[in-house]
Amino acid sequence: GQQLNQSPQSMFIQEGEDVSMNCTSSSIFNTWLWYKQEPGEGPVLLIALYKAGELTSNGRLTAQFGITRKDSFLNISASIPSDVGIYFCAGQGGSARQLTFGSGTQLTVLP
Amino acid sequence: DTGVSQDPRHKITKRGQNVTFRCDPISEHNRLYWYRQTLGQGPEFLTYFQNEAQLEKSRLLSDRFSAERPKGSFSTLEIQRTEQGDSAMYLCATQGWADGEQYFGPGTRLTVT
Repeated sequence: GQQLNQSPQSMFIQEGEDVSMNCTSSSIFNTWLWYKQEPGEGPVLLIALYKAGELTSNGRLTAQFGITRKDSFLNISASIPSDVGIYFCAGQGGSARQLTFGSGTQLTVLP
Repeated sequence: DTGVSQDPRHKITKRGQNVTFRCDPISEHNRLYWYRQTLGQGPEFLTYFQNEAQLEKSRLLSDRFSAERPKGSFSTLEIQRTEQGDSAMYLCATQGWADGEQYFGPGTRLTVT
């Protein structure tokens, strides 16, 4: 089945720094999504990408759909304490409607 | 609040008991998904409804699990004869007609003792 490799697994950064994380897939995806999850809550949708090469921003967040359709990255600029959480990539591909998730990137922002 | 809601938020049960969770979708969303998430992992797909029809089930969904969406609105997920390995966060997500964006509820945290 489809697998997503998400890296890094965790990051410790200083407030104000930029952050980058990425996902790679063994299969082609038609849609890439990025979510943020905080403890005890469900994932919250941050950015959705629908076309290969697409670059989309949401405030300080920027994500790209890789040209090969097998990868995506998320950048967070000028990190702030409320950016703390687990970030997940998710892909939807082929005839499957469900999402396949990466294993998450735990982000810690140090003051 | 017009988001996805789930009830209960937390459930502690003894091994062998049955449990039922409920998901209320965003009102205009016709697609509804159930996922399971264990600690340190991303959500894993369990099953999917389009309106009241259950269109797909994962191999993770053993015969102790059953899901319904009787009127194409809310959905229930029942686990019979719970096992300790069923302890997880159960997440519901809904989606409109367009593919892609799925919106998640807050989840139900199940602990089987």
